[in-house]
Amino acid sequence: QKEVEQDPGPLSVPEGAIVSLNCTYSNSAFQYFMWYRQYSRKGPELLMYTYSSGNKEDGRFTAQVDKSSKYISLFIRDSQPSDSATYLCAMSAGTGNQFYFGTGTSLTVIP
Amino acid sequence: GAVVSQHPSWVICKSGTSVKIECRSLDFQATTMFWYRQFPKQSLMLMATSNEGSKATYEQGVEKDKFLINHASLTLSTLTVTSAHPEDSSFYICSAGTSGSRNTGELFFGEGSRLTVL
Repeated sequence: QKEVEQDPGPLSVPEGAIVSLNCTYSNSAFQYFMWYRQYSRKGPELLMYTYSSGNKEDGRFTAQVDKSSKYISLFIRDSQPSDSATYLCAMSAGTGNQFYFGTGTSLTVIP
Repeated sequence: GAVVSQHPSWVICKSGTSVKIECRSLDFQATTMFWYRQFPKQSLMLMATSNEGSKATYEQGVEKDKFLINHASLTLSTLTVTSAHPEDSSFYICSAGTSGSRNTGELFFGEGSRLTVL
């Protein structure tokens, strides 16, 4: 079983839709959770960072962590064509530890 | 947020030559940096973990004599692809985690370097 599972998609939504991206994981020691956005031929850009459980909101983006279910989500409200990218989840057990990545979900927002 | 700079962003070289890629953390100290390889439409593949002042730890299947990693300071790690061949053509990305007083568990990526070996 992989450490982190993420549906690769592709996911296609109309502009303005709410997008839900998810990852599941198996290691209960993970406590640092991140979402990255990667445009084609660019390095991943850190979007959201969460420590332990709970929600975090930043503009149109909301990250949720449910450690009891080993499930994390990223919600994008009022999606825009510029949100079209691959979204990667990542997590680690602690500072200095190795990071584990999902395979990435390809998102296309259609104008 | 913290910034990681990677250079060059694009390099073309002849087969048999060596290419060096630099990864710098611009506003924080990075005890650990990671090097990845990414093929088109695929996820990141961790190549090695670079630790300041010590030897890098390579993932299984990655040739350490081909992909030389040097982490000489808390802000700079380099990846040298030695005797490059066309099959080494890929997108190489580095990342760095914060350390010291800013040790937040976050991981920041460079912009990536596209290597094309002719």
